[in-house]
Amino acid sequence: KAGVTQTPRYLIKTRGQQVTLSCSPISGHRSVSWYQQTPGQGLQFLFEYFSETQRNKGNFPGRFSGRQFSNSRSEMNVSTLELGDSALYLCASSLGGQRGYTFGSGTRLTVV
Amino acid sequence: SQELEQSPQSLIVQEGKNLTINCTSSKTLYGLYWYKQKYGEGLIFLMMLQKGGEEKSHEKITAKLDEKKQQSSLHITASQPSHAGIYLCGADTSGTYKYIFGTGTRLKVLA
Repeated sequence: KAGVTQTPRYLIKTRGQQVTLSCSPISGHRSVSWYQQTPGQGLQFLFEYFSETQRNKGNFPGRFSGRQFSNSRSEMNVSTLELGDSALYLCASSLGGQRGYTFGSGTRLTVV
Repeated sequence: SQELEQSPQSLIVQEGKNLTINCTSSKTLYGLYWYKQKYGEGLIFLMMLQKGGEEKSHEKITAKLDEKKQQSSLHITASQPSHAGIYLCGADTSGTYKYIFGTGTRLKVLA
């Protein structure tokens, strides 16, 4: 059974650019969550999607957005990148309910 | 302040020693999870606790949930170098499937 796949693994972008990260959940999982992890702030919740609907949202500016497709694959977009957006972005999927999440290996974004 | 506080922040133990990591919530817990992370990688699921008083074990790792105290503990018996990493507790504290995480405990085991 394939795990959660995140692409790309590494990304270097310039300030002001935008970026799109992709997450393919485990087959059958309908809930996808995104997290930002930095040494200073730890793991911060970005948003959660269930059956193509955003169900929860964290305290991030509107530059951070996401979506989920009918096959449960999800993308997150960050526009007008800032140096502080450099982080490991983790995606996690779940069947839903209180069943726990399986995490992908993450996308490491560096903004220069 | 963090909704989920972990203690200690870091821990260095000699191989073979036992250790405990704590996770305390300032809000009601609707399910608590323990994960392990190797630096720069994704999180590996360890176990999930849902009911007060629940205790689960996997190999040498045991986790307990004290619902009244809104607290969970993770205990490692006879630690090994393979136990090294960052341990994170995660929980739904709003009942809306929004999972937040603690600040993590960095564990180093000396051979």
